[in-house]
This record gives sequence, structure tokens and C-alpha cells, in this order.
Amino acid sequence: KNEVEQSPQNLTAQEGEFITINCSYSVGISALHWLQQHPGGGIVSLFMLSSGKKKHGRLIATINIQEKHSSLHITASHPRDSAVYICAVRLESGGGADGLTFGKGTHLIIQP
Amino acid sequence: NAGVTQTPKFQVLKTGQSMTLQCAQDMNHEYMSWYRQDPGMGLRLIHYSVGAGITDQGEVPNGYNVSRSTTEDFPLRLLSAAPSQTSVYFCASSYGQGSSPLHFGNGTRLTVT
Repeated sequence: KNEVEQSPQNLTAQEGEFITINCSYSVGISALHWLQQHPGGGIVSLFMLSSGKKKHGRLIATINIQEKHSSLHITASHPRDSAVYICAVRLESGGGADGLTFGKGTHLIIQP
Repeated sequence: NAGVTQTPKFQVLKTGQSMTLQCAQDMNHEYMSWYRQDPGMGLRLIHYSVGAGITDQGEVPNGYNVSRSTTEDFPLRLLSAAPSQTSVYFCASSYGQGSSPLHFGNGTRLTVT
């Protein structure tokens, strides 16, 4: 059974700090998603990647397929970045009821 | 372009009652899914559909029914609510099954007493 592990579970940082959230998984995947869930509860897709690196504004996502690891970085963090960040993977085998497996999330708080 | 519309936002049920959570998307996505989110756990797949007329079970399907009569709509039915079904429910849609960006509804917070 694929496991998706995120670290840290909780992270509190000061405004302006560089943030790194990690995601590790145990089997081959075809895609990895990073999602953001704000305190109000809504979930937004940030990135979907299968190799390399993607950047959107102050957010950068990287993935190392060989090491089965992905990182989400936030540069110049701001209190509005406070949210739960969720990693999800799609298994390489695909099909069946294994659309996505989700990590438990990283709860990030950015203090002013 | 509304995206994924999920209703209601909040619901309280008594044990044994039934209800339907509505989910509609206007992006012509083939893949739709229902997840539940519980404290300390990741999102878990309840049921999913890869197109109109096609549904299948996810990780935690017991106590829930779905149907997909149109591409746009994917309702989730609780047949006889139980306290164990107290959770936050999310509907999501995408072009492909996990291989394209997901679009989520705003969630339904369900309490079963």
C-alpha cells in the first residue's frame, strides 16, 4: 500500500522566511499534486508535476522521481500563506480506485 | 464559470436520516470524485466516476451511494446516516483520473447526532 508522508506536520515561521514542506512516497507514481487548504476549508490545486520543477509566483515545487520525494517551497512567506498544504500522488499503475492517495497535510502558520 | 458547486455547506442529521449532497461542475470534466476529510487523516476517496453512467467505489464506500446520469452532476447519497459519517465532504473534478489538476467544491460539513 502506498504511503504518502509529509513533513513537518506543523510549521510556524516568521514573515519573510523561506519555507520548505516535504512529501515522500513509497511506490512508483505518475503524477504528484500539491494542494492548499485555507482555514475556511476550501481546497485549491497549486501544482501538478511528474518531473523537474514548477514555479508560480512565490511558490516552487520540485520532484525527484528516483528518490520518491517532492518539496514545496515558499519564498518571502506572508501571513496569507498560512494554510494546510497537502501532497497527493497518483500511482503509476493507474486505474481502479487508486486515483489519488493523500498525505495528512502540513499546517503552516506565518506570523507577522 | 462557476467551477465545482457543492451544496449544502453545512448539514445536521439525526441517526437514520437520509440526505443527498449535491455536486455540479461546468467544466465538462469526465472524472468526478467524492472525498471525506477527518481530523488527523488525509482525504479519503468514497466513490468516483470516470464519465456519465460509470461509477466505482473508492476506499471508504460503505453507507454511501452515487450516480452519474449527466457529465455535470455527481450527487452523493447517505442512505441511513450514522455518527461515523460525521465529517467534511469534498467533491472534486478533473479532466483525467489524477493526471490533471483537481478542482474542488467548497466542502460540506456534516454532523450526525
